[in-house]
Amino acid sequence: EPEVTQTPSHQVTQMGQEVILRCVPISNHLYFYWYRQILGQKVEFLVSFYNNEISEKSEIFDDQFSVERPDGSNFTLKIRSTKLEDSAMYFCASSETFNYGYTFGSGTRLTVV
Amino acid sequence: GENVEQHPSTLSVQEGDSAVIKCTYSDSASNYFPWYKQELGKGPQLIIDIRSNVGEKKDQRIAVTLNKTAKHFSLHITETQPEDSAVYFCAALREYGNKLVFGAGTILRVKS
Repeated sequence: EPEVTQTPSHQVTQMGQEVILRCVPISNHLYFYWYRQILGQKVEFLVSFYNNEISEKSEIFDDQFSVERPDGSNFTLKIRSTKLEDSAMYFCASSETFNYGYTFGSGTRLTVV
Repeated sequence: GENVEQHPSTLSVQEGDSAVIKCTYSDSASNYFPWYKQELGKGPQLIIDIRSNVGEKKDQRIAVTLNKTAKHFSLHITETQPEDSAVYFCAALREYGNKLVFGAGTILRVKS
């Protein structure tokens, strides 16, 4: 069964450093998403991406965050200057069609120290 | 915006019994309701979903029911097995939206 692949599985970074989380969505999917889950809390929407542009973003997704599809297979989330409160599990997801059938990756656990 | 409430937060059942998890949503424009299973160290895995034009959907031991009027939907797992133990999340998605709103999750423990 096709999978969404995320790397790395765990990232530890110093506060103020930039991090890039990487995702390889399912190859025929056109819609891409990032979600995060702070330990013990709900899974929260960050951003959706389609046709090389952001289609929707949450209030969490401020100027410190950016997304990019640098080539035909990767989808990245960059946090420019990490804060302690950015520590969370970050999930990438993709879907073939709009509004249906999201597949999630296994996540990247980001720890900011 | 949409808000999804999920109950119970933890549920323990004996192997072979049924488990029911309930969710309510606030946005009447929501029309897609998936359920995800999350095992330790893994991402949410879609197990079943339902659109607002149907009231029930079944897939082997798993079923989902939807009451649009009351704005609630439920996951039913019959003949539970130890491998059903996981965290289960409900979610809602509004028509023309692409932002899943998740419930807080239910930790299901199936005791053998």
